[in-house]
Amino acid sequence: GNSVTQMEGPVTLSEEAFLTINCTYTATGYPSLFWYVQYPGEGLQLLLKATKADDKGSNKGFEATYRKETTSFHLEKGSVQVSDSAVYFCALWTGSARQLTFGSGTQLTVLP
Amino acid sequence: NAGVTQTPKFQVLKTGQSMTLQCAQDMNHEYMSWYRQDPGMGLRLIHYSVGAGITDQGEVPNGYNVSRSTTEDFPLRLLSAAPSQTSVYFCASRGTDNYGYTFGSGTRLTVV
Repeated sequence: GNSVTQMEGPVTLSEEAFLTINCTYTATGYPSLFWYVQYPGEGLQLLLKATKADDKGSNKGFEATYRKETTSFHLEKGSVQVSDSAVYFCALWTGSARQLTFGSGTQLTVLP
Repeated sequence: NAGVTQTPKFQVLKTGQSMTLQCAQDMNHEYMSWYRQDPGMGLRLIHYSVGAGITDQGEVPNGYNVSRSTTEDFPLRLLSAAPSQTSVYFCASRGTDNYGYTFGSGTRLTVV
């Protein structure tokens, strides 16, 4: 079956620090990959996506590259802000499963 | 505004009571899903639907029922509430494109 393994949290960074949150996956077929963000008290919002190998998804300064050879989709941001404090979820979709499979989430706290 | 609407936002039930969590989307999405979110466990799929009249079980379906009589609505029924069902419930929908799921804002359920 499909699975997503995500970097354990929580992660605490100072403002303007570099962020990496690791995500690896196991899937049958050719998954689409997603990062979702959940701000306190809210639902999940799509942050970025990639649908095929070597695609780079980007949004709001965040980036992730679909690496088929390493089955990874690591989230990066060059300079985090306090407003980036949230929980980040890596997820995958396959047409055969017809559902999203989520990682366990990584809590990010950015200190001023 | 277009999106996924969940009601109620908060609910307290007594053990053994039944209730229905409502979910509606106005984007003409085919796929709809229910997830529960528990601390340290990410999001777990309860039930999902790939179209009106079609539903299937996810990872944790016991104690829950769903139906999909229309494209827009996907209610989740708790048959006999138990304290283990205390959680935050999210409904999500997806079209046939590969954009990703849109999530509702969640229902926080407490069973006492």
